[in-house]
Amino acid sequence: AQKVTQAQTEISVVEKEDVTLDCVYETRDTTYYLFWYKQPPSGELVFLIRRNSFDEQNEISGRYSWNFQKSTSSFNFTITASQVVDSAVYFCALSELDSGYALNFGKGTSLLVTP
Amino acid sequence: DTGVSQNPRHKITKRGQNVTFRCDPISEHNRLYWYRQTLGQGPEFLTYFQNEAQLEKSRLLSDRFSAERPKGSFSTLEIQRTEQGDSAMYLCASSPYGGAQYNEQFFGPGTRLTVL
Repeated sequence: AQKVTQAQTEISVVEKEDVTLDCVYETRDTTYYLFWYKQPPSGELVFLIRRNSFDEQNEISGRYSWNFQKSTSSFNFTITASQVVDSAVYFCALSELDSGYALNFGKGTSLLVTP
Repeated sequence: DTGVSQNPRHKITKRGQNVTFRCDPISEHNRLYWYRQTLGQGPEFLTYFQNEAQLEKSRLLSDRFSAERPKGSFSTLEIQRTEQGDSAMYLCASSPYGGAQYNEQFFGPGTRLTVL
């Protein structure tokens, strides 16, 4: 069963629009971590953020913000004032103690930002 | 460069041949992970090491696959008798166990395998 669901396969926006990427996860562990990674066309996965299950504070880093809600098992990612360089595939991932904290990735959301 | 490195970056082989990939993790990281990514999918976990001990293997890791990390530093992933279905990007990641960056996995550039 898919533990991480990214329902949006592809999103296309015009530069300067805000965009939110959805992520829903499933776990029975009380201790777990959630991640977002960016995979640009060059292919290398770039770490963006890690949250642990005990820290539900939202986080903002420049144009990026993350909304973690345990009540709905969601960890959504918003890019404000998108730029062409934001075009990439974005992956949400879950790591659990039971699996040695190996990352369980969603299928990714492909974001295209056009000028 | 202090990131994760992988070699080779690309490998083309004929079906039935054996291939071996190498991963050099970030030097102070004692956990090392292997993943496989096929086109249009997210990476899928294969196996991981803590130091030299292989602690977990996915069901995706068939008997034709073997991984080692003999001295707790670099790791190798070998695929014997390759099949066309093995064509994928093989990704290596490392993470510290403990500390402020606990459990953050940093990925290498990957090795793209094409089996003809």
